[in-house]
Amino acid sequence: QQQVKQSPQSLIVQKGGISIINCAYENTAFDYFPWYQQFPGKGPALLIAIRPDVSEKKEGRFTISFNKSAKQFSLHIMDSQPGDSATYFCAAKNQGGSEKLVFGKGTKLTVNP
Amino acid sequence: DADVTQTPRNRITKTGKRIMLECSQTKGHDRMYWYRQDPGLGLRLIYYSFDVKDINKGEISDGYSVSRQAQAKFSLSLESAIPNQTALYFCATSDLGADTQYFGPGTRLTVL
Repeated sequence: QQQVKQSPQSLIVQKGGISIINCAYENTAFDYFPWYQQFPGKGPALLIAIRPDVSEKKEGRFTISFNKSAKQFSLHIMDSQPGDSATYFCAAKNQGGSEKLVFGKGTKLTVNP
Repeated sequence: DADVTQTPRNRITKTGKRIMLECSQTKGHDRMYWYRQDPGLGLRLIYYSFDVKDINKGEISDGYSVSRQAQAKFSLSLESAIPNQTALYFCATSDLGADTQYFGPGTRLTVL
C-alpha cells in the first residue's frame, strides 16, 4: 500500500525553466509534508517542508503548494539550474501518530544547461 | 552529513553470509532509523528506534535485525544475505519532538 504517490518518476528541464513535481497522499491524518533532495552519492537532505495550515511555502527558488481538499502537494523549482539536478522525494508524517516518515518513490530531475 | 557516519560505505558479499552495517551519530539525537533505497521504489523503512530500549519494525523488516548499542550507535544486520537485498542502505537520525531527519552517506551493499 503506497501512502504517498509521487510523479513523474523522471523529469528533464532546460536551464531557467520551471520544474514541477507532484505528490498525492491518502491518509488524512498526515500533518507534515517535507521534500528531501538527494545528490548522487549522498544521503537525502531536507529541502523544504509545509504543514497543512498554509497553502504555500516559499524558500528562495523552491515553493511547496499544498491542496488539503485534494490531498495533493507539489514542489516548484523556479529558474531551474544544472546544480538542481538531483533526486527529489516527497514525504508525509502524522505527527500525532507513529512519527514515521512515509516517502514517495522519488523523481530524478535533470536540468540541462 | 558528517554528523551521521555509516560503515562500510561499500560492501560486496555472497549469498548466505552474515553482514553488519553500522551507523554512528554525534548529533545527540534519540531517534535513529534504517532505510533501504532501491531504484524506482524510493526509501523504505526497515527498523527504527526512539531510544536505546525501543526498537520497532518498519515496513520491510523481514530478513533484517538491528541492535541499538548506545544512543549514538544503531547497527543493521542481515543474518543470511540474499541477492534481492542488494540495495543502498541509509541510516538517519532525528531529535525528539523535531521533524527533520538527518541522513548518513549510505552503504552500497551488493549480494552475489
